Amino acid sequence: KAGVTQTPRYLIKTRGQQVTLSCSPISGHRSVSWYQQTPGQGLQFLFEYFSETQRNKGNFPGRFSGRQFSNSRSEMNVSTLELGDSALYLCASKETDYEQYFGPGTRLTVT
Amino acid sequence: KNQVEQSPQSLIILEGKNCTLQCNYTVSPFSNLRWYKQDTGRGPVSLTIMTFSENTKSNGRYTATLDADTKQSSLHITASQLSDSASYICVVSGNYGGSQGNLIFGKGTKLSVKP
Repeated sequence: KAGVTQTPRYLIKTRGQQVTLSCSPISGHRSVSWYQQTPGQGLQFLFEYFSETQRNKGNFPGRFSGRQFSNSRSEMNVSTLELGDSALYLCASKETDYEQYFGPGTRLTVT
Repeated sequence: KNQVEQSPQSLIILEGKNCTLQCNYTVSPFSNLRWYKQDTGRGPVSLTIMTFSENTKSNGRYTATLDADTKQSSLHITASQLSDSASYICVVSGNYGGSQGNLIFGKGTKLSVKP
């Protein structure tokens, strides 16, 4: 099976702009989670989607949103970008309750 | 407060040597503990997952231990190789399956293996 794919891999945006990141889970996986990774904070949970419904949400402002489509592909959107949003955004998918598989991430740089 | 602390923050060892990474947690209730390896510029890859009843789990040259009483885990790497250079992240799950919202991440240990 193909692994989790994320597009784009790299992105440069200007403060105030918005951005949409895409994640395609492993075939058959219905759960998709998003994480933000920065050197100072490590990995932080953003939200999880299961069967097109948000199942849980981390402690991020409303500028961060997401959705999941009927084919389990997911997108996350960040509006009104701030410099502090520069990070590696990781998507992970899973089938069972324990093991999740991460994608390679999207490196977002906000200038 | 649920926390996962990893030590050391960074570590440099010579190729062929062994090393041990530490993870202490205060997450409650405890469900499972995972160790991930993250190469630079890539997503984390799972090395081991241990539940409350498991004390040791191995994956090749990687051996993880868990002491649920003291809430400590360690990851031992035997006969290190240059390809072991990566960040190792300890993750503790505070619920019993299902939602990812109760995963508590450590900030990782950055391991550098030198020739």
